[in-house]
Amino acid sequence: ETGVTQTPRHLVMGMTNKKSLKCEQHLGHNAMYWYKQSAKKPLELMFVYNFKEQTENNSVPSRFSPECPNSSHLFLHLHTLQPEDSALYLCASSPEGGGGLKYQETQYFGPGTRLLVL
Amino acid sequence: KNEVEQSPQNLTAQEGEFITINCSYSVGISALHWLQQHPGGGIVSLFMLSSGKKKHGRLIATINIQEKHSSLHITASHPRDSAVYICAVGGGSNYKLTFGKGTLLTVNP
Repeated sequence: ETGVTQTPRHLVMGMTNKKSLKCEQHLGHNAMYWYKQSAKKPLELMFVYNFKEQTENNSVPSRFSPECPNSSHLFLHLHTLQPEDSALYLCASSPEGGGGLKYQETQYFGPGTRLLVL
Repeated sequence: KNEVEQSPQNLTAQEGEFITINCSYSVGISALHWLQQHPGGGIVSLFMLSSGKKKHGRLIATINIQEKHSSLHITASHPRDSAVYICAVGGGSNYKLTFGKGTLLTVNP
């Protein structure tokens, strides 16, 4: 059983809806990540949080709004999405907090939320 | 051109065969990751390496920093090894990993 859980696993929404994706990690990690995986494309980093502070926003449109209330929980709030936003959204966490070289850490991934925007 | 190129894109093998998946990158890096993604989406980190070679069970990963190339080998392949294998590289002063498009491996019984 993965230490990183995501809900819901599947989501269908209209372009005018507002929904939220939830990620929870039970590993005691300090860094959490949102990734987007579209068909036939590489994984794309969206956001990074380190000790609840956003440390990277990879030019993500404002219709995606992350929230990290504590080191164990990460949300991705969705509003007025477009059909091209349909993808698998993956959450990950890694141990280090504060100043470390995150790309040298192993990241632990959740199972993902498969999103379809109609 | 993607900064991380994997080959082949698709690979079909018979059970028991030795598998090699390649990854080439064009940027300076400090670490390279191999990930496995099964149908349904879940991703598991297999290796993180910055030099030399690492082995875990039937899996072996090697990296040549000078040639900017890494290989993932699977010995005595099994149908349960069927998955997408993803190479990712990291370097610089940010958190960003750059990912390859993945190699879809199918091992037939």
